[in-house]
Amino acid sequence: GAVVSQHPSRVICKSGTSVKIECRSLDFQATTMFWYRQFPKQSLMLMATSNEGSKATYEQGVEKDKFLINHASLTLSTLTVTSAHPEDSSFYICSASENTGGGQPQHFGDGTRLSIL
Amino acid sequence: EDKVVQSPLSLVVHEGDTVTLNCSYEVTNFRSLLWYKQEKKAPTFLFMLTSSGIEKKSGRLSSILDKKELFSILNITATQTGDSAVYLCAVVPGAGSYQLTFGKGTKLSVIP
Repeated sequence: GAVVSQHPSRVICKSGTSVKIECRSLDFQATTMFWYRQFPKQSLMLMATSNEGSKATYEQGVEKDKFLINHASLTLSTLTVTSAHPEDSSFYICSASENTGGGQPQHFGDGTRLSIL
Repeated sequence: EDKVVQSPLSLVVHEGDTVTLNCSYEVTNFRSLLWYKQEKKAPTFLFMLTSSGIEKKSGRLSSILDKKELFSILNITATQTGDSAVYLCAVVPGAGSYQLTFGKGTKLSVIP
């Protein structure tokens, strides 16, 4: 089945640091990948849609200059949390599905737990 | 605005019990409904449903969709402690769209 790999799984760093999270589709190509954020005991909240070769589409309330997304190839999207602060601490998850016009389910990476001290 | 509502929000059962999790939705366009299981990490895919009345099964888990009533259920029979997780329902709203709208999830706790 389709596998999505996300790295790193855990980050602990000081306030003001920028953190880059990678999301890779290992055995399929994904024109579109999604980045989610999940707070404790809450469901996934879509942050942005990452489009290969073009700008990401951000959901309302998500700062595009804070959460930089790059989707340089059909198998890799990166999310960079710039100048992270404690309120950015959360569980970040990416997902992707095969390029079949929405007919395939999204598969999720294992997530990245980000803790900003 | 697209909406996905799951019930109950939490459920505690004993091993061996059968449970039914509910998901209703209101979306402008509908393509498919997905069920995921989330334990400590990211969600893992369970089922994708696109047609009404066709039950999908995987071991002790099964799911069915009613597109007329805008409703889906996820059944788990002979529950085990390893079934304890949050079960998420999500809808893909339209043809050509990959974007998911998630419900808040049902937290299932199976006690020995």
